Amino acid sequence: ETGVTQTPRHLVMGMTNKKSLKCEQHLGHNAMYWYKQSAKKPLELMFVYNFKEQTENNSVPSRFSPECPNSSHLFLHLHTLQPEDSALYLCASSHEGLAGGNEQFFGPGTRLTVL
Amino acid sequence: ILNVEQSPQSLHVQEGDSTNFTCSFPSSNFYALHWYRWETAKSPEALFVMTLNGDEKKKGRISATLNTKEGYSYLYIKGSQPEDSATYLCAFYGGSQGNLIFGKGTKLSVKP
Repeated sequence: ETGVTQTPRHLVMGMTNKKSLKCEQHLGHNAMYWYKQSAKKPLELMFVYNFKEQTENNSVPSRFSPECPNSSHLFLHLHTLQPEDSALYLCASSHEGLAGGNEQFFGPGTRLTVL
Repeated sequence: ILNVEQSPQSLHVQEGDSTNFTCSFPSSNFYALHWYRWETAKSPEALFVMTLNGDEKKKGRISATLNTKEGYSYLYIKGSQPEDSATYLCAFYGGSQGNLIFGKGTKLSVKP
């Protein structure tokens, strides 16, 4: 058990649907992250939240909308996605961001398929 | 654009073999180098976070070295076991850039 949970584990949605991915960490960390992994590509950082404030947005399209209501929960709201958005979406957390060389703890991911 | 390269892309070894693979990263603005192990259908799990040039870290049969001046890190596995089969990811952190840059990983398969 990694202490980081993600729901759902699998999601199939149409291009006109609205859905949300949920991440919860039970480790007392202050920083949370969304990553995307597409086939044959490295993990790509999408968003970073540090103490509930968004500190990074790596040019992610607005059809992905993150929300961090508190340090333990992170959401990724999905709206009018494209088939090329099909990927594995991983959530991670760490203690006080990456400064100081803090390792990240990952959830199991949500496998998203956009039809 | 910052690039993190890992080689080889995949590796097949027999149980008991020792093996190693490479992570290359930018040699400027270095802050930290992370290694993660990712088993199929599981979450990536941190192995090491290395920050000092010349550093060597060890966890059981797995060890890693770091050369920040030339921009590479080696991961060694001594006496590979089938349970070592996984994808090994390295990630570079350059401090001011604010995020981890991951390589594509080395996929290790250990045959009994």
